[in-house]
Amino acid sequence: DTAVSQTPKYLVTQMGNDKSIKCEQNLGHDTMYWYKQDSKKFLKIMFSYNNKELIINETVPNRFSPKSPDKAHLNLHINSLELGDSAVYFCASSQGLGGTDTQYFGPGTRLTVL
Amino acid sequence: AQSVAQPEDQVNVAEGNPLTVKCTYSVSGNPYLFWYVQYPNRGLQFLLKYITGDNLVKGSYGFEAEFNKSQTSFHLKKPSALVSDSALYFCAVRDKRGTGRRALTFGSGTRLQVQP
Repeated sequence: DTAVSQTPKYLVTQMGNDKSIKCEQNLGHDTMYWYKQDSKKFLKIMFSYNNKELIINETVPNRFSPKSPDKAHLNLHINSLELGDSAVYFCASSQGLGGTDTQYFGPGTRLTVL
Repeated sequence: AQSVAQPEDQVNVAEGNPLTVKCTYSVSGNPYLFWYVQYPNRGLQFLLKYITGDNLVKGSYGFEAEFNKSQTSFHLKKPSALVSDSALYFCAVRDKRGTGRRALTFGSGTRLQVQP
């Protein structure tokens, strides 16, 4: 039973295209996140949602738009893809917004923009 | 502001020897501290966390970490390394103040290489 799942696992696309990455968690958690891991493995928060409400929105280009249809899903849509968007994107979830809450990560989506 | 530093890009250790992966943090208030491990082409897996109380925290796979407030450190340790411990390790911090709307900040990662 996969706790946090992402699709697709790999995504190769051309500059200028629009693409989406989907995330689902079956842990019953209220909070979900998107992280970006660059080629040097540096991991940075992009967004977090709590019960479908946007909580954290770091300095991310507005080409990136998260959507949470329900608290078990958090999708990431990217418009007008650029070379610099190439990275691994991780979804994560936690029980709540509490500082002690452990985040559980999905397997990642490797995005390559050509 | 909150930040975390992992001063070593890579740590090499022989199988059976003790290992230490270093982490120091900076927060305005008191910290919540976490360690995660990432195996190749996988997501991050939670190892352990420090919330409050005993400074020595025990986690998964025989790992433990010691919280040292005076040195603002949270080093990860294991008494006897296994080849299968070879992976990328991340330390993360969150300031206790205003945690509801404060993200987890990750270090740059330390690659642990355990030689047989």
